[in-house]
Amino acid sequence: GENVEQHPSTLSVQEGDSAVIKCTYSDSASNYFPWYKQELGKGPQLIIDIRSNVGEKKDQRIAVTLNKTAKHFSLHITETQPEDSAVYFCAARYGKLTFGQGTILTVHP
Amino acid sequence: ETGVTQTPRHLVMGMTNKKSLKCEQHLGHNAMYWYKQSAKKPLELMFVYNFKEQTENNSVPSRFSPECPNSSHLFLHLHTLQPEDSALYLCASSQAGRPSTDTQYFGPGTRLTVL
Repeated sequence: GENVEQHPSTLSVQEGDSAVIKCTYSDSASNYFPWYKQELGKGPQLIIDIRSNVGEKKDQRIAVTLNKTAKHFSLHITETQPEDSAVYFCAARYGKLTFGQGTILTVHP
Repeated sequence: ETGVTQTPRHLVMGMTNKKSLKCEQHLGHNAMYWYKQSAKKPLELMFVYNFKEQTENNSVPSRFSPECPNSSHLFLHLHTLQPEDSALYLCASSQAGRPSTDTQYFGPGTRLTVL
């Protein structure tokens, strides 16, 4: 089955800096890669996703890149703000969604 | 709000109790999911329902019993649980059958504590 590795497990940045979270997946047939943000006391919320026919997707301050050859994809957050602090999960899907372990992002004012 | 609601938000139960978790989606989706989220572990898929039919049981112990009476409601019946079952239980829904629209939307979860 699919295996998703996510790094780093914790990330601390200063407000205004960029943050990058990386994930690798094992099943080359995976074709859908969402990113979720989970704030304290809430369920995961989809923030951006990318499909295997696209190499990059951007939505305001967040972007996702996909390298199918290397089987890795990354989340980029620019101009970070304290409200970006949360746990971020990547996932990959061929059939069912498989999640990474999560990254705790802390943005210091 | 994602359009997926879960009740109760918090639940404390003894190992001999029987309780149920409820999930309702207002998105018109036809697939619903139960996930378990434990500390320092990835989200674990438990059950999948498509058009009210269970299509996946991810080797979940029989003390967890799902029920899907219609495409909008999903229940998780709990009995004789163990302390290690304490976790956040998340419900999600999606529009199955169309890859371009099958994004999963999650509810806020039920924080379960088994004493």
